[in-house]
Amino acid sequence: QQQVKQSPQSLIVQKGGISIINCAYENTAFDYFPWYQQFPGKGPALLIAIRPDVSEKKEGRFTISFNKSAKQFSLHIMDSQPGDSATYFCAASKTGTASKLTFGTGTRLQVTL
Amino acid sequence: ETGVTQTPRHLVMGMTNKKSLKCEQHLGHNAMYWYKQSAKKPLELMFVYSLEERVENNSVPSRFSPECPNSSHLFLHLHTLQPEDSALYLCASSQGTYDTEAFFGQGTRLTVV
Repeated sequence: QQQVKQSPQSLIVQKGGISIINCAYENTAFDYFPWYQQFPGKGPALLIAIRPDVSEKKEGRFTISFNKSAKQFSLHIMDSQPGDSATYFCAASKTGTASKLTFGTGTRLQVTL
Repeated sequence: ETGVTQTPRHLVMGMTNKKSLKCEQHLGHNAMYWYKQSAKKPLELMFVYSLEERVENNSVPSRFSPECPNSSHLFLHLHTLQPEDSALYLCASSQGTYDTEAFFGQGTRLTVV
């Protein structure tokens, strides 16, 4: 049973466009929702994270939108750049227990010129 | 220089071989993890170590054996693997098991022939 469902599997966006990746979770005990960015040949790196006490968090061109009632959260990349081309993973975990991130399946983003 | 270093970067081994993956973290963290990353699947948590305490994922086959001699080093001993074990093996660390921000190494690409 997949606890975090991520879509789409792949995404192609033109330079300057908005990239949107969606995730849905099932476990209502989750209270930490990070997004990781992974470039080829590298390990995932934390990009941005949100806790359910806020509905939106913005860091530069990256924004997380969180809908607690729908159990959904999404990553928006504004003014997408070719350097943003990577695989993006959403994840979720429950604070206060042994750190066990539950990951989505990943979205491969390609930003074209 | 990444805070989490994994060696080797690539490994090809036969099903009867015994090999070990090494991970070292330079971040002063006291929790370390092994994850398995397979194509089109979520990252799978294999093992968690915190202050030399081991938390197992009971679904991981016994042909994978972790060792954590201290808070900075983590090994994954491999023996009699199967071709389906071919994957990217990622090591991660965090400040503690209650700190949900994980820092990943670059991974070891394992191919079992």
